[in-house]
Amino acid sequence: AQTVTQSQPEMSVQEAETVTLSCTYDTSESDYYLFWYKQPPSRQMILVIRQEAYKQQNATENRFSVNFQKAAKSFSLKISDSQLGDAAMYFCAYRSGNAGGTSYGKLTFGQGTILTVHP
Amino acid sequence: DAGITQSPRHKVTETGTPVTLRCHQTENHRYMYWYRQDPGHGLRLIHYSYGVKDTDKGEVSDGYSVSRSKTEDFLLTLESATSSQTSVYFCATQEGYNSPLHFGNGTRLTVT
Repeated sequence: AQTVTQSQPEMSVQEAETVTLSCTYDTSESDYYLFWYKQPPSRQMILVIRQEAYKQQNATENRFSVNFQKAAKSFSLKISDSQLGDAAMYFCAYRSGNAGGTSYGKLTFGQGTILTVHP
Repeated sequence: DAGITQSPRHKVTETGTPVTLRCHQTENHRYMYWYRQDPGHGLRLIHYSYGVKDTDKGEVSDGYSVSRSKTEDFLLTLESATSSQTSVYFCATQEGYNSPLHFGNGTRLTVT
């Protein structure tokens, strides 16, 4: 079974600075997807960024980028120019790329990291 | 998001009572999921559906059952609620296998 670990329960950053959230995962599969989700106090789950394991290039979405290290099974999220609206719980998640069996689209989530942004 | 409505938004119930949570979607997505969120555990999959009347168990399915009689509705039932089922429950839908998941706004359930 796959596991996802976020070792930082809480992180903080000054507005306009850069912060990196860590995520490691364990899998024996070669085909999979990795995600970062943001959960603000409203409880809404918002997809921030997605990475396909077969792609060597790190995914980027505006101020959000990832450092995907497949051999090390590491998937960190970098937030540049942090804004007050970035304050939220962030979840790392894994999904198998195997379309067969019972895998379908189910996600395995990490424990979450609470990000505080100081003005 | 993706026209997902979860009801109720909040519920308090007593141990031993049956509880049904509803997820309604308007996007005609094939796949639907129920997750629970607990501190220190992130979100964990309870049950999922890959079509009408087609459902399967997730990693924390004990004490829960589901039904999907129509594409748009996915019901989660706690036959006899226990305090360990106090949690925030999220419904998610997915158009196709490689499509992104869309989440509802969650139901906070408290079992006293």
